[in-house]
Amino acid sequence: GAVVSQHPSWVICKSGTSVKIECRSLDFQATTMFWYRQFPKQSLMLMATSNEGSKATYEQGVEKDKFLINHASLTLSTLTVTSAHPEDSSFYICSAPRDRGWDTQYFGPGTRLTVL
Amino acid sequence: AQKITQTQPGMFVQEKEAVTLDCTYDTSDQSYGLFWYKQPSSGEMIFLIYQGSYDEQNATEGRYSLNFQKARKSTNLVISASQLGDSAMYFCAMREGTNDMRFGAGTRLTVKP
Repeated sequence: GAVVSQHPSWVICKSGTSVKIECRSLDFQATTMFWYRQFPKQSLMLMATSNEGSKATYEQGVEKDKFLINHASLTLSTLTVTSAHPEDSSFYICSAPRDRGWDTQYFGPGTRLTVL
Repeated sequence: AQKITQTQPGMFVQEKEAVTLDCTYDTSDQSYGLFWYKQPSSGEMIFLIYQGSYDEQNATEGRYSLNFQKARKSTNLVISASQLGDSAMYFCAMREGTNDMRFGAGTRLTVKP
């Protein structure tokens, strides 16, 4: 069964609104979670690393004020897309390594965001 | 610089035959992990197989196996006895140490009946 969940699975919003996406590890604690974005027919691109108890680390070119990340607990990380625009429409996927060896990384089912 | 390279945008294979998906990587780290994921049209990322840089034997998981050539920095995925349900995007990924995971561009595999 799924070990990482995401909510919502899809969302449609108007331009200028904010959207929050939740990522939960279901049966393990994740001090680190990763947020990826995938445009159609492209690969996954890392946006940021979410760290429980500290600030997220953003990849170059990703606006931290636009993509707010909060790692509220050891099982929950949230990504808020603020003032969304049509170019933010994408597939957002979170993931978390399960154990200290990091040889297993589980992905959430993804959230498809459409901004009108 | 691109660290993970998948040179095959698309591949076709006949049902029940084997297929090899190529992946090369670039790293100066001694400790790293190599992963393969399958992404069907639903979008979910399905973990297939893992190879650690210190693993001497090629990883195998059911119909999936890796042809890991460390000196050449390649980790090709072999899918044996292809099934129609294997049609999907396949991504190769690498993690250096305990850092984040980076992905290749992917290969779209189509299994023909």
